[in-house]
Amino acid sequence: GAGVSQSPSNKVTEKGKDVELRCDPISGHTALYWYRQRLGQGLEFLIYFQGNSAPDKSGLPSDRFSAERTGESVSTLTIQRTQQEDSAVYLCASSRVISGTPDTQYFGPGTRLTVL
Amino acid sequence: DAKTTQPTSMDCAEGRAANLPCNHSTISGNEYVYWYRQIHSQGPQYIIHGLKNNETNEMASLIITEDRKSSTLILPHATLRDTAVYYCIVIPLGANSKLTFGKGITLSVRP
Repeated sequence: GAGVSQSPSNKVTEKGKDVELRCDPISGHTALYWYRQRLGQGLEFLIYFQGNSAPDKSGLPSDRFSAERTGESVSTLTIQRTQQEDSAVYLCASSRVISGTPDTQYFGPGTRLTVL
Repeated sequence: DAKTTQPTSMDCAEGRAANLPCNHSTISGNEYVYWYRQIHSQGPQYIIHGLKNNETNEMASLIITEDRKSSTLILPHATLRDTAVYYCIVIPLGANSKLTFGKGITLSVRP
């Protein structure tokens, strides 16, 4: 497909377990973002990757959260020792970068994480 | 970033035009007006954006006032599938644009 894809679509885990969420951006999009959206709340920025630049990790809520991106392709968001407050929808977005400027962000369908 | 204000909710009849207003009176010259929507349990969907000229695409039209202090998103023939929360945001050119959505406007399309 041509859009951003994420997997899994739903993840239920037990408190204390680690989880890994995956994002496949639109081909050719060098910028990639992770957001979190708690039930009934707005978007919460987590991390931003652009090309080979150092990622902007300023939104990661704790050191239990980390993310990687290989080149300009897949990204994984890892949450270690999950807590109940981590329950949310995790959204990935990607965009082109034109003359160094990120363009419109396109979102994936999200991964709904439930920590029991 | 400039703040936007939107009504909390509105409804319209299926097949009629839905006109969604947005105020952004403190918008700067280098800030774009963007509209996204979020249908229940789905990721945000990009609709349209503009700087100062009116824009139209296959989904909607965006009308921006001459002073750029407000805009209107127009869905020309609303369908039940257009029921969603619509977010109007302003994004500065050149920023890596960590998006934040306000509460948006809930559009309910009735049969």
